[in-house]
Amino acid sequence: EVQLVESGGDLVQPGGSLRLSCAASGFTFSSYWMSWVRQAPGKGLEWVANIKQDGSEKYYVDSVKGRFTISGDNAKNSLYLQMNSLRADDTAVYYCARNKNWGDAFDIWGQGTMVTVSS
Amino acid sequence: SYELTQPPSLSVSPGQTASITCSGDKLGNKYACWYQQKPGQSPVVVIYQDSKRPSGIPERFSGSNSGNTATLTISGTQAMDEADYYCQAWDSNTVVFGGGTKLTVL
Repeated sequence: EVQLVESGGDLVQPGGSLRLSCAASGFTFSSYWMSWVRQAPGKGLEWVANIKQDGSEKYYVDSVKGRFTISGDNAKNSLYLQMNSLRADDTAVYYCARNKNWGDAFDIWGQGTMVTVSS
Repeated sequence: SYELTQPPSLSVSPGQTASITCSGDKLGNKYACWYQQKPGQSPVVVIYQDSKRPSGIPERFSGSNSGNTATLTISGTQAMDEADYYCQAWDSNTVVFGGGTKLTVL
């Protein structure tokens, strides 16, 4: 079964750090662009970052540039999101998602992991 | 930065046709896709590459994209179609979502 499973969400204080993980199974992880997408409580979807299959290209939404880092480990079929200098407005469910092709839709989504930034 | 604009809400009666629009500068030059999200669930793609339906998505879902507007059409809307719908496109190497449309079937 093709599957993405996120983990690592937690309650963290403003200014703190957190690392999210996404374990992929059922497909060749190294063949796809992967992304992190978040959704604040009661709000819409917001793309956060993506990474090319070989890790050579990474892109971020402006609001997280310099604070978040996306990475992948093809040997472990895993995607990561290192989040530093967390702010209250980073509070959201974070999904990892697979791109069908570059420029195309997200065809597989994980169940999401909740990140809460609060003192 | 690139923006996609959707109406916040739309109400339709069961059996009617629901049309949800998504507007963006020269959107017709990009691929548009659409996601359905029900409460407490992850999004599911219902249309990709403007008008293609993934396997398992009912034929009543269709899409088009031309000029500055992409449209998701649900023909013969059913109660189970009540959900939030998001359009999405790529802008260079980044991804943009529309703000979402809450579809109410009543």
